[in-house]
Amino acid sequence: SQKIEQNSEALNIQEGKTATLTCNYTNYSPAYLQWYRQDPGRGPVFLLLIRENEKEKRKERLKVTFDTTLKQSLFHITASQPADSATYLCALAARGGSQGNLIFGKGTKLSVKP
Amino acid sequence: DGGITQSPKYLFRKEGQNVTLSCEQNLNHDAMYWYRQDPGQGLRLIYYSQIVNDFQKGDIAEGYSVSREKKESFPLTVTSAQKNPTAFYLCASSMSPLGLAGGRSYEQYFGPGTRLTVT
Repeated sequence: SQKIEQNSEALNIQEGKTATLTCNYTNYSPAYLQWYRQDPGRGPVFLLLIRENEKEKRKERLKVTFDTTLKQSLFHITASQPADSATYLCALAARGGSQGNLIFGKGTKLSVKP
Repeated sequence: DGGITQSPKYLFRKEGQNVTLSCEQNLNHDAMYWYRQDPGQGLRLIYYSQIVNDFQKGDIAEGYSVSREKKESFPLTVTSAQKNPTAFYLCASSMSPLGLAGGRSYEQYFGPGTRLTVT
């Protein structure tokens, strides 16, 4: 069956460390994968997109990698801050699926302690 | 300000009543989406529309209905047939989803959500 999984429901780290979140998928052939941030009681906000033919994307303190052999994307936040505390969602757009539609993981709740 | 709005933020209804959730965007986006989010679950797609006067069922369309009479508006009606309607509802929009075939792809812009409670 098709699955998209974010391995950790919650991740607790110390301020200043690098947070690494994982997104794995099975039985999909993604054209691209996106990462969103969601704060409690609010809608998700787009952060980064990475295509199937890209290995890595960066934006300020954020880095995303995409390994289609491992069927995995990693999302890194370097020099983490308490303000980075939120739930992070990965979402993929599958080839052969309805155009533009995303399949979302359940999210990983990141807590950065001062 | 450009953006996507949902109203109301909180909505309470009695079981057996239909209720309509509003979603409006002024981003000039062609595509609009409705998701449902439950605790411990990912976002699940209810309905989507890629163009005015056309919409498609998502993964969990049963008990819901939509309309897309204007580009800016995509209201969702939760009918009494929906077995478990209490949830957080999110509306989103994106530019034309020519994405995969055209080699383009667009992020989705989400509204603030409506929390519906049915008792």
